[in-house]
Amino acid sequence: EPEVTQTPSHQVTQMGQEVILRCVPISNHLYFYWYRQILGQKVEFLVSFYNNEISEKSEIFDDQFSVERPDGSNFTLKIRSTKLEDSAMYFCASNGDDGNSNQPQHFGDGTRLSIL
Amino acid sequence: GQNIDQPTEMTATEGAIVQINCTYQTSGFNGLFWYQQHAGEAPTFLSYNVLDGLEEKGRFSSFLSRSKGYSYLLLKELQMKDSASYLCAVMANTGFQKLVFGTGTRLLVSP
Repeated sequence: EPEVTQTPSHQVTQMGQEVILRCVPISNHLYFYWYRQILGQKVEFLVSFYNNEISEKSEIFDDQFSVERPDGSNFTLKIRSTKLEDSAMYFCASNGDDGNSNQPQHFGDGTRLSIL
Repeated sequence: GQNIDQPTEMTATEGAIVQINCTYQTSGFNGLFWYQQHAGEAPTFLSYNVLDGLEEKGRFSSFLSRSKGYSYLLLKELQMKDSASYLCAVMANTGFQKLVFGTGTRLLVSP
């Protein structure tokens, strides 16, 4: 079964540094998402992406964050000038193989980001 | 605003049946999803309701009442591997179908 893949599985970064989290969505999906989950808390929506542009973003997704689809397969989340409170598990998800976003979103295994 | 409520924790015995409830108040509604999440792992899709009624998928069933803002996930013939968190998520009709998650219900299955 096709999967969403994320790299790296764990990223440790000094506060103030930039970090890029990478995702390869399921190949025929058209809608891509980033969520985060701070340890012990609920999964929170960050951003959705369709047709090479952001379609919706949450209040968490401020100017520190950006997303990009640099080629036909990768979908990246960049966090500039990381803060301690950015430490969390970041999940990429995708859906919409028939152009319909009203489908289950499939999640990758996540990247655990630790800011020191 | 968006509000999704689930019990924090439940316990059950192997072989039993357990029902996990979820109530929601969201600004729009385009479906309710149940995910399973083992500690430190990704949410895995279990079940999806758009219309009122019961959806059955093997040992798992999910029910929806849109008028009551209520859903439940029913797990039958519980196995030890079912010990996990169960996340209720609403696809709110606020744009491109983001999922709004509840805090999850931690289920512990004992022998």
